[in-house]
Amino acid sequence: AQSVTQLDSQVPVFEEAPVELRCNYSSSVSVYLFWYVQYPNQGLQLLLKYLSGSTLVKGINGFEAEFNKSQTSFHLRKPSVHISDTAEYFCAVSDRAGGATNKLIFGTGTLLAVQP
Amino acid sequence: DAGVTQSPTHLIKTRGQHVTLRCSPISGHKSVSWYQQVLGQGPQFIFQYYEKEERGRGNFPDRFSARQFPNYSSELNVNALLLGDSALYLCASRTDGYDQPQHFGDGTRLSIL
Repeated sequence: AQSVTQLDSQVPVFEEAPVELRCNYSSSVSVYLFWYVQYPNQGLQLLLKYLSGSTLVKGINGFEAEFNKSQTSFHLRKPSVHISDTAEYFCAVSDRAGGATNKLIFGTGTLLAVQP
Repeated sequence: DAGVTQSPTHLIKTRGQHVTLRCSPISGHKSVSWYQQVLGQGPQFIFQYYEKEERGRGNFPDRFSARQFPNYSSELNVNALLLGDSALYLCASRTDGYDQPQHFGDGTRLSIL
């Protein structure tokens, strides 16, 4: 079984400052890793994904994340945030082996609150 | 191309009633999954369907059921509604391949009175 931990429920940051949202996972098998963003009253939008290869992955809107296998982490970063980045961010994993389903296991989310 | 579409966007029901939620996947996507997102939490997996067959089921009671149609659209049914069923219900579709990401609709907000 897999689980995802997002330790920070809320991260306040000033506009144009850098930000890191933390994600740690637990799994007995190899996993795919994802970050999704959810704006108010909307569904989830894929920011980026790690499947294999380079551990540094770049996504949309200037976000990037680094996969660290030894620390079982997949932290999300952005060098300079904008007011429009204010949203809920979810880290998720799915079983690489697949089997019958590639269901996503989500963390509890981190609210990124960008202040002017 | 249109994204994943869900209907209705909002729904208010009372305890004990039944509800049907609908989802149309992205064109060409044969896999459809359903998730429940309770306020303040991450989405929880309910079902996955592929080619009209159930491929996975989360830890939800038998009051929850789903099906997929020949055009790959899907319905989620919930019987005997409880207050705890109040949530945002999200549908996601993906193309073939376990490494393919799931694309989500905007969800159906279900409120139980």
